[in-house]
Amino acid sequence: ETGVTQSPTHLIKTRGQQVTLRCSSQSGHNTVSWYQQALGQGPQFIFQYYREEENGRGNFPPRFSGLQFPNYSSELNVNALELDDSALYLCASSWGATDTQYFGPGTRLTVL
Amino acid sequence: QQQVKQSPQSLIVQKGGISIINCAYENTAFDYFPWYQQFPGKGPALLIAIRPDVSEKKEGRFTISFNKSAKQFSLHIMDSQPGDSATYFCAASTSGTASKLTFGTGTRLQVTL
Repeated sequence: ETGVTQSPTHLIKTRGQQVTLRCSSQSGHNTVSWYQQALGQGPQFIFQYYREEENGRGNFPPRFSGLQFPNYSSELNVNALELDDSALYLCASSWGATDTQYFGPGTRLTVL
Repeated sequence: QQQVKQSPQSLIVQKGGISIINCAYENTAFDYFPWYQQFPGKGPALLIAIRPDVSEKKEGRFTISFNKSAKQFSLHIMDSQPGDSATYFCAASTSGTASKLTFGTGTRLQVTL
């Protein structure tokens, strides 16, 4: 069984740029959730995708957007990067929109 | 608005001791309470979880105690080991089509020899 994988591991961008982060869900899982974890904080829910549709969103602006593909992998896109977007971005997958979510290792984004 | 409050922020326990981490929640609609363990540079890993129909759940050295009336739950790590040194997060969510985890702020546990 393959776990949740994310790419890239690390990324450095400058303010105003756009970034795309990728996530492959665990085998058999059809739901992907994205979280932002600032240094020293708990993860904050960004949004969830279920069967290629957005299925719930946290308190994040529209410049955070996403996609889910037919193979259930997912992308997180962030436009007009701000310094405060520097964080670890975590992807979690689950079977259906259930509660048991399994996290990937994350992508560390630094915005300069 | 912080819906899940976690304490302490950090904890130092001797090897073999009991580590206790506490969480309190506000939203009475929460009905699923997992604990996650996170090592540096890694994503959170599910440790143990409980639903409010039981007051305690034990898996190996890890026990969750749940008090529905007080809206509190805690993680107890028995016989703490140096390998348990990590950051622990409590979380909560509601069942449904848009379940999302609301996390506490984390507890950094250090188990000393």
